Amino acid sequence: GEDVEQSLFLSVREGDSSVINCTYTDSSSTYLYWYKQEPGAGLQLLTYIFSNMDMKQDQRLTVLLNKKDKHLSLRIADTQTGDSAIYFCAVYSGYSTLTFGKGTMLLVSP
Amino acid sequence: KAGVTQTPRYLIKTRGQQVTLSCSPISGHRSVSWYQQTPGQGLQFLFEYFSETQRNKGNFPGRFSGRQFSNSRSEMNVSTLELGDSALYLCASSQGQTYGYTFGSGTRLTVV
Repeated sequence: GEDVEQSLFLSVREGDSSVINCTYTDSSSTYLYWYKQEPGAGLQLLTYIFSNMDMKQDQRLTVLLNKKDKHLSLRIADTQTGDSAIYFCAVYSGYSTLTFGKGTMLLVSP
Repeated sequence: KAGVTQTPRYLIKTRGQQVTLSCSPISGHRSVSWYQQTPGQGLQFLFEYFSETQRNKGNFPGRFSGRQFSNSRSEMNVSTLELGDSALYLCASSQGQTYGYTFGSGTRLTVV
């Protein structure tokens, strides 16, 4: 089945850019999503990209997709302390199923 | 527009008991999915319902079951609870993968 890998931890300074990376195994994946989870909360959909796109920009968020390498990244510009959270990459695996990575904990220090 | 509502937010149950969790999707969303989140296994797909029919099921034992009503509200049931069932159970509703999946705040189940 589909496998999604993410680095576990990223630490940045406020005002810097953050880049969170994700790799997946199923090249036929059509939709790829980024979710944010704050402590004690559910998942917040940040953005998503269709597999025929290379890039998608949404305010401070930029998603890059390299289909050849099956690599997805989320760039957060001008990172703020409020961006500290766990970020999940999710891949649509067919039959209404999302396969999630283990999540990347982003810590933003002042 | 109201989001996905899950009730209750917290539950404490004893081993061997059963539990029912509820999920009300966003109005107009006919697809409801359930996920289990644990520190060890991460987020794992349980099942998905569309128009009262289960379309897909994850790799969980038969103790985990669900249903969907005609108003798209969904319930999941776990029977004969085990300590390992302690988790955050998340429900998501959607109009389809093109639009993304909106999650509720989850139900935190603790089995003692």
